Amino acid sequence: DAGITQSPRYKITETGRQVTLMCHQTWSHSYMFWYRQDLGHGLRLIYYSAAADITDKGEVPDGYVVSRSKTENFPLTLESATRSQTSVYFCASSESTVEKLFFGSGTQLSVL
Amino acid sequence: AQSVTQPDIHITVSEGASLELRCNYSYGATPYLFWYVQSPGQGLQLLLKYFSGDTLVQGIKGFEAEFKRSQSSFNLRKPSVHWSDAAEYFCAVGPNQAGTALIFGKGTTLSVSS
Repeated sequence: DAGITQSPRYKITETGRQVTLMCHQTWSHSYMFWYRQDLGHGLRLIYYSAAADITDKGEVPDGYVVSRSKTENFPLTLESATRSQTSVYFCASSESTVEKLFFGSGTQLSVL
Repeated sequence: AQSVTQPDIHITVSEGASLELRCNYSYGATPYLFWYVQSPGQGLQLLLKYFSGDTLVQGIKGFEAEFKRSQSSFNLRKPSVHWSDAAEYFCAVGPNQAGTALIFGKGTTLSVSS
């Protein structure tokens, strides 16, 4: 089905473990984004990508790694998870920098 | 630096009453402004956007917003609230200094009482 999908929907992990959150979009949008949502902070940008093989840091990139080898995929990796990374993570895509963002349903991550 | 402020963390409105959610922004140039809504357990959905032209913009679900440059505001309004409007609302401005991403406010949670 067309759209933007995130997996897994829920994830529990332990501190120090590596975790990868997946994001896939079927529109061939150029831009993709990762946000985290925390109570009292709203949505904060982690990383974004303007095209395949082009990524850049957002507001809160520390502890995260991204890659974009294919236009449709934009995985987010926590190399060594910490409790402060417990959050809801949203992936989004758009055709251009100021066009409508299409959001996935989110991944709720708990780091114990 | 660009920023977005939503002064109200939580608002409760009676069903059928009017609604206004406030949004103030700081931006060095002509901003692109957006309102998104997030229902519980869901991603965000675009309600409306302002790029240029008429300062009163209409969106989906009966929402509208007015851009006031002199007040650096982009407040969201609805004449008559329905129980299904209970959600979290985010104002956003963009693009950011890097020229790519939107900056979101911290959100306003709307509760609707019967």
